[in-house]
Amino acid sequence: GQQVMQIPQYQHVQEGEDFTTYCNSSTTLSNIQWYKQRPGGHPVFLIQLVKSGEVKKQKRLTFQFGEAKKNSSLHITATQTTDVGTYFCAGLNEKLTFGTGTRLTIIP
Amino acid sequence: DGGITQSPKYLFRKEGQNVTLSCEQNLNHDAMYWYRQDPGQGLRLIYYSQIVNDFQKGDIAEGYSVSREKKESFPLTVTSAQKNPTAFYLCASCRGNRNQPQHFGDGTRLSIL
Repeated sequence: GQQVMQIPQYQHVQEGEDFTTYCNSSTTLSNIQWYKQRPGGHPVFLIQLVKSGEVKKQKRLTFQFGEAKKNSSLHITATQTTDVGTYFCAGLNEKLTFGTGTRLTIIP
Repeated sequence: DGGITQSPKYLFRKEGQNVTLSCEQNLNHDAMYWYRQDPGQGLRLIYYSQIVNDFQKGDIAEGYSVSREKKESFPLTVTSAQKNPTAFYLCASCRGNRNQPQHFGDGTRLSIL
């Protein structure tokens, strides 16, 4: 079946440093969604990418969808303490499959 | 305000007991989902329903059951057959189109006594 893997599983960064999480699917995807889950909270939808090679930005967050539509990345520039949480990608094919998540902690 | 309500927030189960987790939405969404979240394993799909009176098994349906008698409600029963039920359970909903983002409830944390 479809598998979606994310790396790294954990990332600790100093406040102000950049952060990137990578998402890889075993199959070609129709689209990919990204969610953020704050500690103790529930996942919240961030963005959806549909087109091959698509790049979208939300303030300090940059999302990319690979040319082959099998991988994606989320890059955060100059992290802040409010960025703390777990970031999940979710790939859509026949169904939506969530990645394993990357847990980001910030060292003030 | 529109949203998804899960209850209870915390739930304890005794050995051999069935427990039911509630999920209600007033977003008028057609599709509803149940996920299980364990540390380091992301979200795994238990059951989903795309329309009233119809539901399908997800990746880890064994030991769980659901019903979808009303559009707004999608309760999940954790049966005694589920030998490792301790986890964080999340309910989600979205519009009928699979391309739509999912909206999540606050979750129910289930533990074994």
